[in-house]
Amino acid sequence: TQTVSQSDAHVTVFEGDSVELRCNYSYGGSIYLSWYIQHHGRGLQFLLKYYSGNPVVQGVNGFEAEFSKSDSSFHLRKASVHWSDSAVYFCAVSARYGGSGNKLIFGTGTLLSVKP
Amino acid sequence: GALVYQYPRRTICKSGTSMRMECQAVGFQATSVAWYRQSPQKTFELIALSTVNSAIKYEQNFTQEKFPISHPNLSFSSMTVLNAYLEDRGLYLCGAKDSFSNERLFFGHGTKLSVL
Repeated sequence: TQTVSQSDAHVTVFEGDSVELRCNYSYGGSIYLSWYIQHHGRGLQFLLKYYSGNPVVQGVNGFEAEFSKSDSSFHLRKASVHWSDSAVYFCAVSARYGGSGNKLIFGTGTLLSVKP
Repeated sequence: GALVYQYPRRTICKSGTSMRMECQAVGFQATSVAWYRQSPQKTFELIALSTVNSAIKYEQNFTQEKFPISHPNLSFSSMTVLNAYLEDRGLYLCGAKDSFSNERLFFGHGTKLSVL
């Protein structure tokens, strides 16, 4: 069974600050990890993914994430946040689903609030 | 680019009635479609995963009798919420992928269901 946990429900930073949103997963085989963003009242937008290779992956809008097998983590980072980055961020892990494909399992989400 | 259009964006139905939502994939072949629900203050729960040439697989707590899904071709899927009640409120998302997108799902904007 693969699960994903996001320990921080809410993170508040000021515009221009760096931020790290945490994600830990349980490992059950081939790993596929991703981050999605949900702006208020809207659907999910893909940010980035890791499947293999370089553990640091770059995403859209200056986001990056680092996969760590030893820590079972896939934390999301941004060096300098903008007010428009305020949203809920979901970490997701892919899990095998009965032989007919994989399903994405989402964490509980972290609300990022960026103050001016 | 790959896009998923989901409609309606919002809907209100009376308790005990049913409503249908639809997703259209543009720019890629939706070999797999996953339907999720985000209840108020919660994360995304997988309802079911539909893969072409395979039976639709429902998660525990979700049934075909309550959430019938149609996936008749590689560009369209629909799901109906039958006999909707208060606990069915939430944001319903469809996510689709093709054979090449390596677990990344393209999501629609979601259908927000309110039940009176």
